[in-house]
Formats: sequence, C-alpha cells, structure tokens
Amino acid sequence: EDQVTQSPEALRLQEGESSSLNCSYTVSGLRGLFWYRQDPGKGPEFLFTLYSAGEEKEKERLKATLTKKESFLHITAPKPEDSATYLCAVEVEATNKLIFGTGTLLAVQP
Amino acid sequence: DGGITQSPKYLFRKEGQNVTLSCEQNLNHDAMYWYRQDPGQGLRLIYYSQIVNDFQKGDIAEGYSVSREKKESFPLTVTSAQKNPTAFYLCASRGVTKNIQYFGAGTRLSVL
Repeated sequence: EDQVTQSPEALRLQEGESSSLNCSYTVSGLRGLFWYRQDPGKGPEFLFTLYSAGEEKEKERLKATLTKKESFLHITAPKPEDSATYLCAVEVEATNKLIFGTGTLLAVQP
Repeated sequence: DGGITQSPKYLFRKEGQNVTLSCEQNLNHDAMYWYRQDPGQGLRLIYYSQIVNDFQKGDIAEGYSVSREKKESFPLTVTSAQKNPTAFYLCASRGVTKNIQYFGAGTRLSVL
C-alpha cells in the first residue's frame, strides 16, 4: 500500500535553531515528491517538488532533499514567520493523484 | 491575478440539506481536485477531474457529488447522505506542463 509518513508531528524551535523535518514514503513508483506550507485556516502553498534521489531544492531558509526512501526539509536559522504546518505529498507513477502525509506543525519562538 | 477561488469561506449545513461548494480557476488547468482535511489527518481525495465532462471518485467519495461542465469550474455538492460533513474542504488544480497542484483558500463547512 502506498503510504507517506511525516515526523515529528510537532516541533518547537527557538529562533535561529536549525532543524529538519522528515517525510518517509513507500510507493510502487515515485513520480514526484512535493512539499507544501499551510498556515492556519488557509490552503496549502506550494514550496518544492523533487523528482529523483539526490535532488535538492532551496528557497530562502528552506532546503529540501530526496533519497529513495525519504525526503528532508531542512530549516536553517528559522524565524517566527516560518511557523506553519509543513505537508509532504507523493505522486505515484501512472496516476495524477497525490498521497499526503499528516504534516508537521512547526512553531518558532522568538 | 491567476488563481483558484473557493466560495464561500464558511458554510453551515442544516440536517438533511445538500450544500454546494464553489471552485473556480483561471489558470487554464485541465485537472481539478477536491480534498477534505480533518484535524490530525492528511488531505483525503474526494473527487478529481482530468478533463471537462469527466470525473473520477477519490478515496472518500461517498456522500459527495461533482460536475465538470466548464474547464474553469468544479463544484462539489455535499449531500445529506454525508453524515459527518464538518471539515475543511480544499480545491486544487493542476496544469499539464508542470505536475504541481495549486490550492484555493478553502471552505470550512459546519453542521448546525
């Protein structure tokens, strides 16, 4: 069964304290892995898409990496405005559907 | 501005009532999706449509119905058969050149 698991469920950081979020997946064939950011009461905002193991993408304080079994979202020197829920999703080959993890709730305290 | 518009932002349903959630996009995307989000759960796919006049059931289609008469529009009806409709509903669309799903701002449905 295709599955996406995110950890931890919640993470509290001090401003400037770097850390990583994990997204592990088991799928029959990976077409792409997606990271989204979701603020309370709003729709998910697209961050990155990764297609093959070894690929990396960066945007400001965020960096996403991909292996054959998992993806990491590294947050360097986070700021309070980085507080949000981060969602990971995978697209399985031969489908146009995404399978989502349950998300990591990140809180960055000043 | 190009984007996806969901309306209303908040919706209340009475017992036995059908309600319809609107989703409109001006991104010229072919594919559109409806998801349901509950606390502590990932987004779950209700219905999706890859082309006008065609749509497929997702993982939790029971109690819901959709139509796709225009490329820009993909309304979702929550019928009285859906016994637990309280949730946050998200619409998304996806283009052909980039397989990225973009989301609207969501509709929060509650039961009176």
